Amino acid sequence: GQNIDQPTEMTATEGAIVQINCTYQTSGFNGLFWYQQHAGEAPTFLSYNVLDGLEEKGRFSSFLSRSKGYSYLLLKELQMKDSASYLCAVLSYIPTFGRGTSLIVHP
Amino acid sequence: NAGVTQTPKFRVLKTGQSMTLLCAQDMNHEYMYWYRQDPGMGLRLIHYSVGEGTTAKGEVPDGYNVSRLKKQNFLLGLESAAPSQTSVYFCASSTLAGGGPGWYFGAGTRLSVL
Repeated sequence: GQNIDQPTEMTATEGAIVQINCTYQTSGFNGLFWYQQHAGEAPTFLSYNVLDGLEEKGRFSSFLSRSKGYSYLLLKELQMKDSASYLCAVLSYIPTFGRGTSLIVHP
Repeated sequence: NAGVTQTPKFRVLKTGQSMTLLCAQDMNHEYMYWYRQDPGMGLRLIHYSVGEGTTAKGEVPDGYNVSRLKKQNFLLGLESAAPSQTSVYFCASSTLAGGGPGWYFGAGTRLSVL
């Protein structure tokens, strides 16, 4: 079976850095994804990790440790528009999504 | 290039009515998926398809049927709608079984069952 855990809600201040963690237990692993979802909209792709280490893309970075079943999404220089839900998804044979972390950025 | 298109965008049904949601993709993707999203529950997989003519059950298949007669279309049917099926439904497609950038999502269908 699949089990993905991430915090339900986080708050942070504009301009700060926030780290959203994701732990997983799956019966197979072919990659881990992070998606951003604004209220009332479809999820949009942020990052993909298949090997251990850090992937950086602008203000967003994602880290993966396969041996620990652990990933995090790092958001730097937070902006108000980063207020959204962040979904961790693991691909084994089929994809499984976590319940999402609602990030609230305040001035 | 439209990507993934879902119709309808909104629908209100009475308990016991039936309906079909259509998902169309123009990217020649092999894999297609139907998810439902409820508050606090994340995205849950209903059914998926790994190619034309094939379908498989996901995490929450009960009360739904699907068909993939053409590669570009994946239909989700509700045989007899129940209030528990009130949700936002997302269709997605991907090449092979994923890989960056993963799944392309449609805009969603907001369904209310009264």
